[in-house]
This record gives sequence, structure tokens and C-alpha cells, in this order.
Amino acid sequence: DTEVTQTPKHLVMGMTNKKSLKCEQHMGHRAMYWYKQKAKKPPELMFVYSYEKLSINESVPSRFSPECPNSSLLNLHLHALQPEDSALYLCASSQDRWNGGLFFGEGSRLTVL
Amino acid sequence: GIQVEQSPPDLILQEGANSTLRCNFSDSVNNLQWFHQNPWGQLINLFYIPSGTKQNGRLSATTVATERYSLLYISSSQTTDSGVYFCAGPGYSSASKIIFGSGTRLSIRP
Repeated sequence: DTEVTQTPKHLVMGMTNKKSLKCEQHMGHRAMYWYKQKAKKPPELMFVYSYEKLSINESVPSRFSPECPNSSLLNLHLHALQPEDSALYLCASSQDRWNGGLFFGEGSRLTVL
Repeated sequence: GIQVEQSPPDLILQEGANSTLRCNFSDSVNNLQWFHQNPWGQLINLFYIPSGTKQNGRLSATTVATERYSLLYISSSQTTDSGVYFCAGPGYSSASKIIFGSGTRLSIRP
């Protein structure tokens, strides 16, 4: 069983909708990540949170808005997405941003109509 | 930024065969990791191996940091080993900017 839990597993939304992806870890990790993965491509880093503060934003469009309410939770708020944003969104955590392997959730598969 | 190259891109094997997957990186990398992504999309951390050799059952990995490569060995392949294998690592310039290679797609036939 994965120790990083993502919800929902599947999400279909229209371009005018507002939705959120949620991620939770209970491993005491202090770094959390959002990755985006298109079919047959490797995961691409979007955001990194370290000790609940945003430390890396890989020039992600503002229609994606991350939030880290506490050390165990990471959200990704979605608004006015485009069909090309359809992808698998993966959350990961690590001991901290300098050490430790990445542990991934099962992902949220997003379809934008 | 750092470049991570994996080979071969695709590999088809019969059940029971052994295989070696390679990861080359363009610059010094610490905290190299190997992952297996199953057909349902789940990414499993196989090894966290900045240097040296580690073994876990039928899988083992070796990283030679000074020569900028890492190898993943899979012995006695099973159909459940199918999927995509990624290596990933951060550069020293940004430890948390973990970059993935393009992956090796492994298909194990019964």
C-alpha cells in the first residue's frame, strides 16, 4: 500500500470548472512535490514545497495553484484549464528537499473537456 | 541543467531472462533513484543509490558516480516486471529539482 494518498483517482472537468487535487502523506516527510506526466513521457516537475513553503515553481501557468496547508497535505487547485492539461498528476514526498528518495502516490488522472 | 539518458528505450524479453538497464547523466548527480512505473501509472521507488551497489530480491543497482552512470539489473524476469523503468536524479545546483530520464519500456512475455 502506498503511503502517499491522492484523491480523486480520476477527474473529468470542463474548461470553466474549478476543482482541486489532494495529496496526503504520513511519513513525516518535509518536502512534497507535484509532477505532471503525459502519456509515454517521463514525469515533469511542477512544484516543490519544503517545510510547507513553496521552493520551486517550474514556470507553471497560473491556472495551476498549489497549496500546502500543513506538512502532511498538498493541494493543487485547478481553474480554467485547457484540454492540453489533461494528464496524470503525481504527488510525491521525500524526507526533505536534499535527502531521501521520492515516494509517489498513485496519481490523479485528469481529463479536461 | 542536467541531462539524464536511459538505454535501451524498449526491451522485450521472455519470462526468466535477465536484463541490464543503463542510466547516463551529464553532470555529477547525487541521490540517484530508480523507479518502476506499472501499467496503471503507479511509480514505485526501487532504489535510492547515490553510489555503490544495492540489492533487493531479483533486482540490484550499481551507481558509479565518478563515471556518471548507473545500472539496474533484473534477474529471472517475471511478467509483473513489465512497465517503464525510470532513473532520476538532481544536480548539485538544485538538489530538489529531480529530473527523470526518458525511461526504458520493458515487456516480459510469458
